[in-house]
Amino acid sequence: AQRVTQPEKLLSVFKGAPVELKCNYSYSGSPELFWYVQYSRQRLQLLLRHISRESIKGFTADLNKGETSFHLKKPFAQEEDSAMYYCALSEDKLTFGTGTQLKVEL
Amino acid sequence: DAGVIQSPRHEVTEMGQEVTLRCKPISGHDYLFWYRQTMMRGLELLIYFNNNVPIDDSGMPEDRFSAKMPNASFSTLKIQPSEPRDSAVYFCASRLAADTQYFGPGTRLTVL
Repeated sequence: AQRVTQPEKLLSVFKGAPVELKCNYSYSGSPELFWYVQYSRQRLQLLLRHISRESIKGFTADLNKGETSFHLKKPFAQEEDSAMYYCALSEDKLTFGTGTQLKVEL
Repeated sequence: DAGVIQSPRHEVTEMGQEVTLRCKPISGHDYLFWYRQTMMRGLELLIYFNNNVPIDDSGMPEDRFSAKMPNASFSTLKIQPSEPRDSAVYFCASRLAADTQYFGPGTRLTVL
């Protein structure tokens, strides 16, 4: 069975500090992984997916198959990055982690 | 395209009443998903359809919950009878094949 773990429920950083949101997965096949973001009281939006290897809003995520991780990183946090972040793994359906609330403080 | 459309956006009802949530997926998408989001349990997949056929309903909490997809452009999630613990935000999402999944704005349900 596929499983996604986000160990931190809340991550609080200061503006300008680096951010790393952790995601670990368990899956026997070749995983397809995503990060979704949910701003306050809004719908979930795709932030990035590992196959596209893009940088969106300054965020990047690298798939590490050895460590079965897909951590989300940004070198300098901005106030507008405050949101809920979900890591997800796709087979036929998306399996979401429990989410990490990122709070960027001034 | 207007994206995934859900209605109503907010619903307040009394315990015991029937509640129907509606979803219009993005045109051409062949997968449709219903999720429930609460503070306690996070984001839970309730059921999903492929080409209007229910594929996995193992996340549906009880027999009080039912979902239908009569055609490719419409789905409903019904709760009968509703209970206070059903209060949550219900999201619908759609997808084409293995492409990106797009979410609707959600329906915020409050059962008094």
